[in-house]
Amino acid sequence: TQLLEQSPQFLSIQEGENLTVYCNSSSVFSSLQWYRQEPGEGPVLLVTVVTGGEVKKLKRLTFQFGDARKDSSLHITAAQPGDTGLYLCAGLPVYQFYFGTGTSLTVIP
Amino acid sequence: GAVVSQHPSWVICKSGTSVKIECRSLDFQATTMFWYRQFPKQSLMLMATSNEGSKATYEQGVEKDKFLINHASLTLSTLTVTSAHPEDSSFYICSASVAGGRTDTQYFGPGTRLTVL
Repeated sequence: TQLLEQSPQFLSIQEGENLTVYCNSSSVFSSLQWYRQEPGEGPVLLVTVVTGGEVKKLKRLTFQFGDARKDSSLHITAAQPGDTGLYLCAGLPVYQFYFGTGTSLTVIP
Repeated sequence: GAVVSQHPSWVICKSGTSVKIECRSLDFQATTMFWYRQFPKQSLMLMATSNEGSKATYEQGVEKDKFLINHASLTLSTLTVTSAHPEDSSFYICSASVAGGRTDTQYFGPGTRLTVL
């Protein structure tokens, strides 16, 4: 059972475009993390959001945690080829850790 | 910062052989280590959780006799794929938790690419 569904699963856009990736669940999480993974490497933590409604910005990346702590979104402004990779959300209910289904992003120069 | 290494980074083996993958926490002691499996462009699937000095806890559907996990010290966990077959070909990633639970920060290794011919 996959607790966290990400959409879209695949995304291919032109350099300079904006995009949003969604991470949805019917479960409540104490916190939620976003990771980025490049081919042949392990995931790298981008951000942790812990408060419902929280918004965090990391340069061109904006992360939002839903008010009910069941969902999250990642918005990338003016995407660059270096943003290409697999984006994973991960939810942390008590004593558990689940990865989302993943979003594979390709930014075309 | 906390660094986790894996060895080897890639391995090619013949069907029927066993392969051992090492996961080390280089600058911290990890009470708990996790093993994941990943197929191309898909998410990470948790295989098992290993605690130092005790038996690993396997996720449903993961064969414990097929994927042997040993966590002999606070800095080393090993995954042995026994009698490997082509369907075992995958990207295997470990992570280490500092405080010991899945809710704590996990540090991921760079992964090991296993190809079984």
